[in-house]
This record gives sequence, C-alpha cells and structure tokens, in this order.
Amino acid sequence: GENVEQHPSTLSVQEGDSAVIKCTYSDSASNYFPWYKQELGKRPQLIIDIRSNVGEKKDQRIAVTLNKTAKHFSLHITETQPEDSAVYFCAASMGGADGLTFGKGTHLIIQP
Amino acid sequence: GAGVSQTPSNKVTEKGKYVELRCDPISGHTALYWYRQSLGQGPEFLIYFQGTGAADDSGLPNDRFFAVRPEGSVSTLKIQRTERGDSAMYLCASSFPGETQYFGPGTRLLVL
Repeated sequence: GENVEQHPSTLSVQEGDSAVIKCTYSDSASNYFPWYKQELGKRPQLIIDIRSNVGEKKDQRIAVTLNKTAKHFSLHITETQPEDSAVYFCAASMGGADGLTFGKGTHLIIQP
Repeated sequence: GAGVSQTPSNKVTEKGKYVELRCDPISGHTALYWYRQSLGQGPEFLIYFQGTGAADDSGLPNDRFFAVRPEGSVSTLKIQRTERGDSAMYLCASSFPGETQYFGPGTRLLVL
C-alpha cells in the first residue's frame, strides 16, 4: 500500500518568514495530494490540494508543488502569521474512490 | 450548511465492552470515510463507503471492528470487546466521490 513520509516533524519560524514542509509518497498510482491543517483539539481542515496533472497551485500565501517523477510534494507558506501555528498533514490517494494515506504531521510554530 | 457531525464527542468505556460511534455526513455526500487518529500521529484510514456498501475496508485492524451505512447516509462504527489499544480519536469524513474530504469533529474514545 501507499506510504507517505513527512518532514520535518517540528518547524519553528519567525513571524513573517516562510515555512516549507516536504512529503514523499511511494505509490506511483497516487494522483491526489491534499494538505490539512489541524489545530489542537479540532478537526483537520483542508487548506490546499493538488492533482497529478498540475505541477504547482497557489492560494494567497499558500502554495503546493508536486514532482511526480521524484514522488514528492511540498507545502509553502509565505509571510507566516501567528494563526498559522498548527499541525499540518500531507496526504495522498488515488483520487477516485480511495481513503487518504496521511503523513505523521509537522508541528509548525510561529515565533513572534 | 451543516458540516459532518459525530456523536458522542467523548466516550469512556471499560475493556471488553461494546461501543458504537455515529457519523452524520454532509447532506448529499455519497462517500463516507472512517479514520483513527492516535496522539501525535496522522489519521489512519479504516473504511470507505460509497452509498450503502463498504467499497474498501482494508484499514479495519481486526474483526472486532465493523461499520455500517444502511441507508447511504448515517454511518455507525462498531467496536466489540474493546481493548486499551483502541483508545484514540475516531474521525469521520464525507465527500462527493473523488472530491475534497470534509472531516467531522471526531469521537474521542478512552478504554479503561
């Protein structure tokens, strides 16, 4: 089955700086890659996703890049703000009718 | 509109007891997923329904776990002979097939 590795497990950045979280996946059949943000005690919420026919997608301060050849994808957050502090999960699936395989998460800490 | 809801929000039970966890998906979503999230980990896929049928139950850890969705809307996850290792957050998500999965708030299960 699919295996998703996520790094780093913890990331501390100064407010206003950029943050990058990286994930790799094992199954070349995967074609859907969402990113979820989970605040303490809350449900995971989708922040951005990308499908394999696209190399990059951007939504305001958040962007995701996908390299299908290398089987890795990354989340980029620019101009970080205190409210960006949370745990971020990457995931992969075959997109059609499939459960998501999640990474272990990255705890992002924004230092004031 | 109303999001995914789950009841109860918390459940404490004793080892060996039977529990049922309920999920109400977003109206119109035909796909429904159950995940389990342990502390400090990403959600782990358990089972996926398309309509009334379990399309993929490969994530269920053993035969103590069972889920139903008899009318294609509400789903119940059933755990028999609970063990302390079953303690976790149980998350439900729903979607249109192949589209964004929206998560419920979860049921936190504690087996004493």
